Amino acid sequence: QSALTQPASVSGSPGQSITISCTGTSSDVGGYNYVSWCQQHPGKAPRLVVYDVTNRPSGVSNRFSGSKSGNTASLTISGLQAEDEADYYCISYTSSSTYVFGTGTKVTVL
Amino acid sequence: EVQLVESGGGLVQPGGSLRLSCAASGFTFSTYWMTWVRQSPGKGLEWVANIKPDGHGKYYVDSLKGRFTISRDNAKNSLYLEINSLRAEDTAIYYCARATVATAGTDWGQGTLVTVSS
Repeated sequence: QSALTQPASVSGSPGQSITISCTGTSSDVGGYNYVSWCQQHPGKAPRLVVYDVTNRPSGVSNRFSGSKSGNTASLTISGLQAEDEADYYCISYTSSSTYVFGTGTKVTVL
Repeated sequence: EVQLVESGGGLVQPGGSLRLSCAASGFTFSTYWMTWVRQSPGKGLEWVANIKPDGHGKYYVDSLKGRFTISRDNAKNSLYLEINSLRAEDTAIYYCARATVATAGTDWGQGTLVTVSS
């Protein structure tokens, strides 16, 4: 199972919106609405920010939103804030009943 | 509050074995899927394995099948990962996570570091 493809880095100024893409295949991203996203600050454990493509866990800012089209899922962060600077990973359920992570995207707030 | 505390990591020689543990609290452990994820130094996250609530269904990433074994003890609210024939490339932080059938990790522990070196 190959890792899902994400851009290595995305940057934006405070207040702007950015979008991170996550491209897989019909055997993972495209085949199920089981895509989630996690945020990881340096030296910290991951934290779930979106699950089931579009849902946010309790306590996660509504500035985080998810979507999917075909084999590509996306995470949009609106009203970018300094605290959003972190690594972001997508995760998808697969046809083998396993999961696969994306390659990870480093978000920089300029 | 969900709490997951990993333990059992450390320095191990190549070819050795290790058993990682994850103590869970703050939720009904026996009703949740559980997951192990690892992260090599400076690298991305890698899904390792998960296990059904009753312990009877276990799934592994293809590349690690045979050397890794996930298990749980619902009476002790504990999750385990046994790793055999350790290699340098197994050096990583190992995280346990509470999961659902659709989401690999909803809540995460702080991880335990495994270093494989002679």
